[in-house]
Parts: sequence; C-alpha cells; structure tokens
Amino acid sequence: AQSVTQLDSQVPVFEEAPVELRCNYSSSVSVYLFWYVQYPNQGLQLLLKYLSGSTLVKGINGFEAEFNKSQTSFHLRKPSVHISDTAEYFCAVRDNTDKLIFGTGTRLQVFP
Amino acid sequence: DGGITQSPKYLFRKEGQNVTLSCEQNLNHDAMYWYRQDPGQGLRLIYYSQIVNDFQKGDIAEGYSVSREKKESFPLTVTSAQKNPTAFYLCASSKRTGQFGEQFFGPGTRLTVL
Repeated sequence: AQSVTQLDSQVPVFEEAPVELRCNYSSSVSVYLFWYVQYPNQGLQLLLKYLSGSTLVKGINGFEAEFNKSQTSFHLRKPSVHISDTAEYFCAVRDNTDKLIFGTGTRLQVFP
Repeated sequence: DGGITQSPKYLFRKEGQNVTLSCEQNLNHDAMYWYRQDPGQGLRLIYYSQIVNDFQKGDIAEGYSVSREKKESFPLTVTSAQKNPTAFYLCASSKRTGQFGEQFFGPGTRLTVL
C-alpha cells in the first residue's frame, strides 16, 4: 500500500532563511507526487506536482521540490522564506486507485 | 470563476442531530471527495464519487453518508452515529480518475458539536 511520511511536524525558521520540508513515500506503482499548502482555516492549494520528466519541479510562490527515486523522497525547498509562507504543508502520493494519500503535514512557522 | 464552494463555513450542532454539509463545484469535474481533518492527523478520506449516482467508502466512512445526484453537487451528512464529529471538513474534486489525480479543494466547513 502507498504511504507518505512527513518527518517533521513543525519547522521554525527565520525570515529570509532557506527551508526544507521533508517527505518520504512508499509506492508500488508509477509515482505521482504532490505538495499542497494550507493557510489557517482554509482549504488546500496545490504548490507543485511531479508526474514524470525532470526530477526538479518548480511551483508557485518560489517553492521547488526534487523527486529522488532511489531515496523515495520528494522534499520541498525554498531558498528564502517570507512571513507569508507561514502555513501547513502536505505531501501526497496518488495511489493505485487514483486516490491521494496524504502525509500528516508540516507546520512551517516563519519568524521575523 | 470556476471553483468549489462549501457551506456553511462554520456549523454548530447539538449532539445527536444529523447535519448536512454542502459542496458544489463548477469545474465540470467528474470525481468528488470528502475529507476530514483533525489536528496532527492530516486528511482522511470519508467518501468519494467518480461518477454521478455512484460513490465509494473511504477510510473512515462510518457515521457518514453521501449522495451524488448531480455532477456539480456532493453533499455529506454527518449522522448521530458518528462518535466524534467535531472536525474540519474539506471537499475536493478532480478530473476523471486516471488523469494524474490532481485535486482542487474547497474552503472547508468547521463543524462543532456541542
């Protein structure tokens, strides 16, 4: 069965510092991976997705992620964060019935 | 603008009452989903529907019911059988399954049972 592990429940970081949010997956089928962001009391918004092709995927708001098949990882990165990036971030993998399996989320807290 | 609407945004109910959450989409998507979100647990799938008049149980369907009479609408009823219904409920939709599974989410409904 497919699964997603987000290793960090919370990541505190100062403004303008780089950040990496970690995601590891397990999947026995072709891998489609997603990162979503959720601001307080709102729905989820797609940041980026990996379907095939280049392993480095660029998304909205300056985020990018790298698909690493050998390490079964899809870590999210941003070189310089802003206060407005404070939110919860979810990694997800599509399972073999086309449903999404979500990780438990990482709360990114950006401090001035 | 195309999108997904959920209503109401906040909902309060007494214990033992059934309550129905609304979800409407104008994206012409075939598939629709209901998730429950609790702190520290991520999103858990309650029900999903890939086509009108058909739906499937997700991982935590007990105490919930749905209908899919129209392509645009996928209401969720939280019944009195649901032991702990207080949570944030999210509706989502996607193009026909098999097309990468990217889901678009509504703004959510926060249900509080008193």
